[in-house]
Amino acid sequence: QVQLVQSGAEVKKPGASVNISCKASGYIFTTYAMHWLRQAPGQRLEWMGWINGGNADTKYSQKFQGRVTITRDTSATTAYMELSSLRSEDTAVYYCARDYIHDKWGQGTLVTVSS
Amino acid sequence: QPVLTQSSSASASLGSSVKLTCTLSSGHSTYTIAWHQQQPGKAPRFLMTLEHTETYNRGSGVPDRFSGSSSGPDRYLTISNVQSEDEADYYCETWHTNTHWVFGGGTKLTVL
Repeated sequence: QVQLVQSGAEVKKPGASVNISCKASGYIFTTYAMHWLRQAPGQRLEWMGWINGGNADTKYSQKFQGRVTITRDTSATTAYMELSSLRSEDTAVYYCARDYIHDKWGQGTLVTVSS
Repeated sequence: QPVLTQSSSASASLGSSVKLTCTLSSGHSTYTIAWHQQQPGKAPRFLMTLEHTETYNRGSGVPDRFSGSSSGPDRYLTISNVQSEDEADYYCETWHTNTHWVFGGGTKLTVL
């Protein structure tokens, strides 16, 4: 069955970067896009960007442009999301989700930004 | 870009039906949306896509107690025979030209 398994929780200091992985299995990785989203405490879900699983084209939300980088490794069937220049407002659970309809979700990765 | 509006809360008795609403902003009434369920402490789970034509497509493993319907800018999620495990937050989302995705604020469903 389709599974997305994300890397574990992270604690970072302001100004640092975080890199989260999302290991996909149960489907042909290159035929679906992978999206990244986040959910800050008490906030609605927020879309960050996506990567084409085949040609690695990316699109980012304007809000995160310049701070977020999404990559993928087809041999490892894994997508990655790096967010830089972290601030306290970036404390959130980060999710990967498959395809434009987000039909499968990772379990989430809690990122805490604190000095 | 579209904006999605949802009521903050709803309640339903065990075994009853409940209809949740997601409203698209003006000028976006024909957009397709997706419904997701988020149980407490868990990741969201895809329920279905729902078109303005009322065509909906449930995700794999989603019970047929979950159905969708549409009227103008409103998109509905109906849960029949409500169960205790349906107590969750329900989010609608939509996308614009494959460059932007937006979510509603979510509806917290309480099962009485």
